Amino acid sequence: QSALTQPPSASGSPGQSVTISCTGTSSDVGAYNYVSWYQQHPGKAPKLIISEVSKRPSGVPDRFSGSKSGNTASLTVSGLQAEDEADYYCSSYAGSNNYVFGTGTKVTVL
Amino acid sequence: EVQLVQSGAEVKKPGDSLKISCKGSGYSFSTYWIGWVRQMPGKGLEWMGIIYPTDSDTRYSPSFQGQVTISADKSISTAYLQWSSLKASDTAMYYCARLSGSYPKTPFDYWGQGTLVTVPS
Repeated sequence: QSALTQPPSASGSPGQSVTISCTGTSSDVGAYNYVSWYQQHPGKAPKLIISEVSKRPSGVPDRFSGSKSGNTASLTVSGLQAEDEADYYCSSYAGSNNYVFGTGTKVTVL
Repeated sequence: EVQLVQSGAEVKKPGDSLKISCKGSGYSFSTYWIGWVRQMPGKGLEWMGIIYPTDSDTRYSPSFQGQVTISADKSISTAYLQWSSLKASDTAMYYCARLSGSYPKTPFDYWGQGTLVTVPS
């Protein structure tokens, strides 16, 4: 099972928006609405920010939003803030008792 | 408050066995799936497997099947990840995390702080 494909990096100025793609296949992202997104700051554990494609857990700012089209899911961070600078990982159920994570995207706030 | 507290960092030799732990508190440990995720130095996240403490139903990623063993002791609200013979390539940070609800629909909503395992070559 290959990792989902994400761009290695993305950047934006404070207040701008950045969108991160997460490309899988018809066996994972395309097959299930079980796509999640995690934010990981350096030296810290990942934090859930989006579940089931577009649901935001309690406490996650509404600046974070998720969507999916076909085999590609996307995370958009609107109104970028300095604290959004982190690594972001998508994840999808891939069937047969297997989950797969994305390759990760480093977001830089310029 | 939901917490997952992992055991401390380990430095082992190739061929050694190891068992690391993840203790849950603040919720009904038995009724939530607990999973393990590997992060090699400077790399991304990898899903290793998951266990349901109530009945020890365990599912492994094909990549890790046969390489590690996941177990749980619901009487002490603790999940484990163990190796019988470590390799240098097992050097990584290992996280435990709780599924927020039913498998496989739900994501990992709470994470442990991570356990760094170092196996010098």
